[in-house]
Amino acid sequence: EPEVTQTPSHQVTQMGQEVILRCVPISNHLYFYWYRQILGQKVEFLVSFYNNEISEKSEIFDDQFSVERPDGSNFTLKIRSTKLEDSAMYFCASGGSDYPPSQYFGPGTRLTVL
Amino acid sequence: AQKVTQAQTEISVVEKEDVTLDCVYETRDTTYYLFWYKQPPSGELVFLIRRNSFDEQNEISGRYSWNFQKSTSSFNFTITASQVVDSAVYFCALSGRQGAQKLVFGQGTRLTINP
Repeated sequence: EPEVTQTPSHQVTQMGQEVILRCVPISNHLYFYWYRQILGQKVEFLVSFYNNEISEKSEIFDDQFSVERPDGSNFTLKIRSTKLEDSAMYFCASGGSDYPPSQYFGPGTRLTVL
Repeated sequence: AQKVTQAQTEISVVEKEDVTLDCVYETRDTTYYLFWYKQPPSGELVFLIRRNSFDEQNEISGRYSWNFQKSTSSFNFTITASQVVDSAVYFCALSGRQGAQKLVFGQGTRLTINP
């Protein structure tokens, strides 16, 4: 069964450093998302991406964040200058075989900012 | 604004008991979609079900069943004859109808099934 994959599974970085989280969505999906989950808390929406552009973003998704779909398969989330409070699990999701799309999540990347 | 409330923070039951997880939502949309996800200890989010607001039929899938009541804005999830493998955090989520539509999640209910 097709699935969303994410790399790395765990990333440790120093405050102020740039990180790129990578995702490979399910191949025929058209909608892509990033969510985050601070430890022990609920899952929060960051951004959705459709037709090569951002379709919606939350107030969390400020100028430090960016997303890109550099080729036909990868979907990336970049954090330019990480802060301590960016430490969280970041989930990528994709959807597209139904409408509105049922979102299928990847296993997550745990980001630890020191 | 959309909101999902899962009032039960933690539930603990003994194996083979039935357990119901509550979900109450708020939305101004007339068409919307409700979801349940399971997050096992390994951390991934597993899609369980999606429900459209115009379809109030209850759904059963094996030991899982879902009760959607528009009148009370609730979408409750029942596990029958619970098993240890059902131990996880369960999230209820809501999305609207337009565009790519973000999911708005509840706080989650941590379910522990004891042997």
